[in-house]
Amino acid sequence: KNEVEQSPQNLTAQEGEFITINCSYSVGISALHWLQQHPGGGIVSLFMLSSGKKKHGRLIATINIQEKHSSLHITASHPRDSAVYICAVFGPGNGNKLVFGAGTILRVKS
Amino acid sequence: DTGVSQDPRHKITKRGQNVTFRCDPISEHNRLYWYRQTLGQGPEFLTYFQNEAQLEKSRLLSDRFSAERPKGSFSTLEIQRTEQGDSAMYLCASSSHSGVDYEQYFGPGTRLTVT
Repeated sequence: KNEVEQSPQNLTAQEGEFITINCSYSVGISALHWLQQHPGGGIVSLFMLSSGKKKHGRLIATINIQEKHSSLHITASHPRDSAVYICAVFGPGNGNKLVFGAGTILRVKS
Repeated sequence: DTGVSQDPRHKITKRGQNVTFRCDPISEHNRLYWYRQTLGQGPEFLTYFQNEAQLEKSRLLSDRFSAERPKGSFSTLEIQRTEQGDSAMYLCASSSHSGVDYEQYFGPGTRLTVT
């Protein structure tokens, strides 16, 4: 079992839909990253959070440390949101490096 | 531009050749990480430095791989006697790791193709 599991692996949505991507992890962490990767492109950090909820524009990230679970929500999705979204955890359980999920491939159709 | 930069962005090499990649972190960041990402997978940790000291290496980092950060600024990752299985995106990230600010910032990556 991987330390970081994401679901779904693939997601196709219609423009305007509300999207949720889930991340579960099995180790103790001090923080969790949500990252975005466009095809052929580098990785951009969307959020780093260790508790509660963060919001940036149409993106919302939540984390429940007790349940070892985080979600990334996209409201009013748009085709430009099409990308791979990766959850990565950082902290005492993983030493000093990020451990990544396999990513969720999101395609938003117009 | 004060972000993380990597050079080259793309490298095509023949099996058996040596390659070297460079990463320039954000200038005030003392931690530098190397990750490898193969197609359809999330990145995997290779190694990291705090200043010039290499503090951890993954078992993925065979003896053909070597990384340095001689002055605690830029870092190089060398792969000797490349194999087709080395084809991947090599990502560099940096962080300040002071107080609670340890968010990692990623470079654009170097895509290596071994033919």
